[in-house]
Amino acid sequence: AQSVTQPDIHITVSEGASLELRCNYSYGATPYLFWYVQSPGQGLQLLLKYFSGDTLVQGIKGFEAEFKRSQSSFNLRKPSVHWSDAAEYFCAVGGVSGGSYIPTFGRGTSLIVHP
Amino acid sequence: DAGVIQSPRHEVTEMGQEVTLRCKPISGHNSLFWYRQTMMRGLELLIYFNNNVPIDDSGMPEDRFSAKMPNASFSTLKIQPSEPRDSAVYFCASRPGTVRTEAFFGQGTRLTVV
Repeated sequence: AQSVTQPDIHITVSEGASLELRCNYSYGATPYLFWYVQSPGQGLQLLLKYFSGDTLVQGIKGFEAEFKRSQSSFNLRKPSVHWSDAAEYFCAVGGVSGGSYIPTFGRGTSLIVHP
Repeated sequence: DAGVIQSPRHEVTEMGQEVTLRCKPISGHNSLFWYRQTMMRGLELLIYFNNNVPIDDSGMPEDRFSAKMPNASFSTLKIQPSEPRDSAVYFCASRPGTVRTEAFFGQGTRLTVV
């Protein structure tokens, strides 16, 4: 069975500082990987996704993530955080079965941004 | 495109009452997911439909929960009878038929059972 671990429940950064949110997955083959963001009272919005190819993936809002097969990781990064980035971030893995996949989500990391 | 539409956005009900949550997926999407979000357990998959057929319902917590998808543009999640421990945010998500795409989420229904 596939699973996702986001080791950090909360991350606090200062505005303008760099950010890295960690994500480790467990899946027997090459996974599909996603990062979503959830603002308070809202649904999940896709930041970026990895299916194959270049292991460094660019997303919306200046985010990027790097797939490292050897470490089973898909960490999310941003060089300079803005106050509006404060939200809950979810990593998800999709294991392919029968020509489709079901996303499994991590517990999320809450990002707090100090002015 | 209006996105995935869920109703109601908020629901407060008394223990023992029947609750029905509704979802309209994005037109043309043929996969639909129901997730439940709680502080204790995070985002849990409840059930997954493909072409209106339930494919995986192993996440449905118990017989009090049921889900239907009578057509490609509508799905319901019903809880009968409801209990306080069912209080959570319930999300519906849909996805196009091709594999290499992401799921699109609705804004969720916040259910409170008192």
